[in-house]
Amino acid sequence: DAKTTQPNSMESNEEEPVHLPCNHSTISGTDYIHWYRQLPSQGPEYVIHGLTSNVNNRMASLAIAEDRKSSTLILHRATLRDAAVYYCIALTEGGADGLTFGKGTHLIIQP
Amino acid sequence: DVKVTQSSRYLVKRTGEKVFLECVQDMDHENMFWYRQDPGLGLRLIYFSYDVKMKEKGDIPEGYSVSREKKERFSLILESASTNQTSMYLCASSFRQTRFTIYFGEGSWLTVV
Repeated sequence: DAKTTQPNSMESNEEEPVHLPCNHSTISGTDYIHWYRQLPSQGPEYVIHGLTSNVNNRMASLAIAEDRKSSTLILHRATLRDAAVYYCIALTEGGADGLTFGKGTHLIIQP
Repeated sequence: DVKVTQSSRYLVKRTGEKVFLECVQDMDHENMFWYRQDPGLGLRLIYFSYDVKMKEKGDIPEGYSVSREKKERFSLILESASTNQTSMYLCASSFRQTRFTIYFGEGSWLTVV
């Protein structure tokens, strides 16, 4: 499993795009990159995941560097409800070992 | 939508009591997990199960046990609660083949006094 590094916190303004970075320099070829977020007083929720190509869904976009050593979660237009801790995880699919969550990035959204 | 339901949102128990935290999922997931979350320590995996009657230790199993008698239900048991087990407990589930697309419950806040 690859170690990931994220900034402790980031701040952005409402209705502006947010780019949340994640470094995973020891990632292997079979490691998927997953993003979760945790809103205050709630359990984490799945946001998006990818392997090599950029991915889009209704919540966010995931941009993966060509060498896969880093990735960026993009929230296209942040709202106050996007204020949360965002976790980046790089792991191989299969089996049943649970996810290991690091400290994540605390995203603050200013109105 | 996937639903992971934890039986109690808030509990207060006394030291030495036996505590049961129940979790039910409605998506026929093979994998189920119990985590605890403490300020500054993030989420830590206590136990997981990949099938009925199967269980595996996570990172911090000491002081806990689990039971999975039915596929949809995974119980966390504190045999003799202690104050250092005051925490938020999170149950989660996933399909075996997409094990990292995990669905979490809302959490159970346990205070041991």
